[in-house]
Amino acid sequence: GQNIDQPTEMTATEGAIVQINCTYQTSGFNGLFWYQQHAGEAPTFLSYNVLDGLEEKGRFSSFLSRSKGYSYLLLKELQMKDSASYLCAVVDSNYQLIWGAGTKLIIKP
Amino acid sequence: DTEVTQTPKHLVMGMTNKKSLKCEQHMGHRAMYWYKQKAKKPPELMFVYSYEKLSINESVPSRFSPECPNSSLLNLHLHALQPEDSALYLCASSQELGESYEQYFGPGTRLTVT
Repeated sequence: GQNIDQPTEMTATEGAIVQINCTYQTSGFNGLFWYQQHAGEAPTFLSYNVLDGLEEKGRFSSFLSRSKGYSYLLLKELQMKDSASYLCAVVDSNYQLIWGAGTKLIIKP
Repeated sequence: DTEVTQTPKHLVMGMTNKKSLKCEQHMGHRAMYWYKQKAKKPPELMFVYSYEKLSINESVPSRFSPECPNSSLLNLHLHALQPEDSALYLCASSQELGESYEQYFGPGTRLTVT
């Protein structure tokens, strides 16, 4: 079967750093996406990893280890507007997006 | 223009009504998607169109009927829905199907079935 695991909820403090983990077991692998979704809004693209290593984009970075079936999203200098759900999605061998359930991130002042 | 638009933003309909959701993109994308999303759940794929042809139907009940009139438009026709169909309906598009292209999402239609 196909399975993507993320923590359900995380809490962090404004200005701090938080790491959101994602582990996956899918039929094939053609890349991994991270999306941000504010409550009641559409998901918006954050990052895409297909090779092992770290991709940095401003305050956000995403890491991938294909051998471990593992990715994380790192958010630095947290702002209140970063309070949202963060969805990990894997592209399987049929180029279908398999979505994780999402991690709700709560930022406290 | 990297925008996907959806109308209406909100829709309340009875179980005997017929309504349609509309989606539009002008990015030249050839793949378009309909997703259903319940609260605190990830998006659930319903249909995928590739080059205006239905490519994937994820065993969706026939009370949902998709239509792709042209490469920029995607409709979802609704008929005889059930209260459990109440959800956020998201449209998305990507450059092509069959590659790892980023999907661009519209703002969604919040549907309530009474």
